[in-house]
Amino acid sequence: AQTVTQSQPEMSVQEAETVTLSCTYDTSESNYYLFWYKQPPSRQMILVIRQEAYKQQNATENRFSVNFQKAAKSFSLKISDSQLGDTAMYFCAFMNPTGNQFYFGTGTSLTVIP
Amino acid sequence: DAGVTQSPTHLIKTRGQQVTLRCSPKSGHDTVSWYQQALGQGPQFIFQYYEEEERQRGNFPDRFSGHQFPNYSSELNVNALLLGDSALYLCASSLGGQGVTDTQYFGPGTRLTVL
Repeated sequence: AQTVTQSQPEMSVQEAETVTLSCTYDTSESNYYLFWYKQPPSRQMILVIRQEAYKQQNATENRFSVNFQKAAKSFSLKISDSQLGDTAMYFCAFMNPTGNQFYFGTGTSLTVIP
Repeated sequence: DAGVTQSPTHLIKTRGQQVTLRCSPKSGHDTVSWYQQALGQGPQFIFQYYEEEERQRGNFPDRFSGHQFPNYSSELNVNALLLGDSALYLCASSLGGQGVTDTQYFGPGTRLTVL
């Protein structure tokens, strides 16, 4: 079975600074999909960024980018120019090639300090 | 464009009771997945429905069952509730089909408390 590990339960960053959240995973699949989701306090989980394993280029969405290291099975999220609204729980997730299995990490609670 | 909706928002039940949670997928989506998120944990996959059938199931007992309707909406049923079933239940929808690996979009969840 696939596993997703987020080793940083809590992190904080000063507003306007950059922070990197770590994620590692374990799989025997060669093709799969990785995601970062954001879950603000008492609010809906929303997609931050998606990466296809067959693509070597790291995904980027505005201030959010990933560092995808397939051989190391590492998928970190970098948030640049952190904003107060970035305060949330961040989950790393793995999806299998057929899209019918999804695995989440335990999450990293990020606090942006004014 | 309506996103994923879930009802009810909150629910309180007692041990041994049965509960039904409901989910309407995002417009254009035909696949619904259900997750259990215990407090302070990541979501755990319960099962996925596509074309009104259970396509994949996670490591949950058969007290957890579901259904998908022709309009793609879905229900999650939990029988013989245990205290440990207290959690946020999330529904996610996506576009399914063979070889389609669409991103899942989540609803706001139903908070179930079992007393």
